Amino acid sequence: KAGVTQTPRYLIKTRGQQVTLSCSPISGHRSVSWYQQTPGQGLQFLFEYFSETQRNKGNFPGRFSGRQFSNSRSEMNVSTLELGDSALYLCASSSSGTSGAGSGELFFGEGSRLTVL
Amino acid sequence: GESVGLHLPTLSVQEGDNSIINCAYSNSASDYFIWYKQESGKGPQFIIDIRSNMDKRQGQRVTVLLNKTVKHLSLQIAATQPGDSAVYFCAEGALQTGANNLFFGTGTRLTVIP
Repeated sequence: KAGVTQTPRYLIKTRGQQVTLSCSPISGHRSVSWYQQTPGQGLQFLFEYFSETQRNKGNFPGRFSGRQFSNSRSEMNVSTLELGDSALYLCASSSSGTSGAGSGELFFGEGSRLTVL
Repeated sequence: GESVGLHLPTLSVQEGDNSIINCAYSNSASDYFIWYKQESGKGPQFIIDIRSNMDKRQGQRVTVLLNKTVKHLSLQIAATQPGDSAVYFCAEGALQTGANNLFFGTGTRLTVIP
């Protein structure tokens, strides 16, 4: 069973540009979450998507957005990039269902390392 | 001003010894706890999890202990091997709320000395 796949693995952008990152979850997983990892702040939750709807959102500015497609693949976008957006962006999928408690375990991809110059 | 990185606790152990990594969590409403291992250049990898209705859970060479009274979590690794060298994160969640997001600790860097 293939794991979570993220593309691109590495990218370099300049301030003011925008970037789109892609994530393909584990087959059958409908929940996709995004996390930002930096040396200064650690792992921080960005948002979670389930069945094409944003179900949960962290404390990030509106420049950070995402979406999920009908095949559960997800993209996140960061507009007007700032130097502080340099980070490893991690996508995680889970088998969380439509009701009741979340499923808990998140399966992470290898991440997309973004460098903003 | 200059940003300061997180101070990452470190733990060095001899190969073959047992390792204990500790974690304090903050949210009394958290009902789910999980340990992840992250090797350099890779995403976090699941190790073991535990729900709040338990105080101990064992896996292969790993044991997680949960003390809800003092909001403390620990990961014990038996017979530590060089391949165990990595950063270990604890994370907490509130599954009963339906939320699927986890809050991660700062991590502990484990170095195994051959």
